[in-house]
Amino acid sequence: NAGVMQNPRHLVRRRGQEARLRCSPMKGHSHVYWYRQLPEEGLKFMVYLQKENIIDESGMPKERFSAEFPKEGPSILRIQQVVRGDSAAYFCASSSLSRLDEQYFGPGTRLTVT
Amino acid sequence: GESVGLHLPTLSVQEGDNSIINCAYSNSASDYFIWYKQESGKGPQFIIDIRSNMDKRQGQRVTVLLNKTVKHLSLQIAATQPGDSAVYFCAENSSGKLTFGQGTILTVHP
Repeated sequence: NAGVMQNPRHLVRRRGQEARLRCSPMKGHSHVYWYRQLPEEGLKFMVYLQKENIIDESGMPKERFSAEFPKEGPSILRIQQVVRGDSAAYFCASSSLSRLDEQYFGPGTRLTVT
Repeated sequence: GESVGLHLPTLSVQEGDNSIINCAYSNSASDYFIWYKQESGKGPQFIIDIRSNMDKRQGQRVTVLLNKTVKHLSLQIAATQPGDSAVYFCAENSSGKLTFGQGTILTVHP
């Protein structure tokens, strides 16, 4: 069984460009979560999505950040007009409807803004 | 605000020793806790979980203890191995949102 997949694993963007991070949940999982991790810190919740719905986006910055989880295809975390402070590791997790509490994480995308 | 935090940022042990990693939480309404292991360059890996109606849960070589009175959580690793070297995070799940502690770096010396 494939786990949570994220791509790209590493992404370099110049200030002002857009970053698009993709996450494919585990097979059978319909809930996706995005977290951000700064160096030597714990993960911080950003957003929780179900297919075609945003359940909780309380951790998302109000500007430049958006997330979606369409009916078909991966979940996308989009960061517009990136700044150096956006440099971090972005992790996606997924869970199934029957075991919502158990979140399984992907390998992360490391974003570097130059 | 509510937070989940760790007492010790680093822990060094000898191979074969038992390790204990501690965590304090502040939200008394928390009812589900998880320990994750994160190796360098990888995502967090689920180790063990516990619900607030329990005070102890055992897995393979790992035990989680929950003391709701003092809002304290610990992870015990028996016969620690070099492969256990990683950062360990406790987390609280509240309505789907995980709140992570700062992390403890465990280093196991052969």
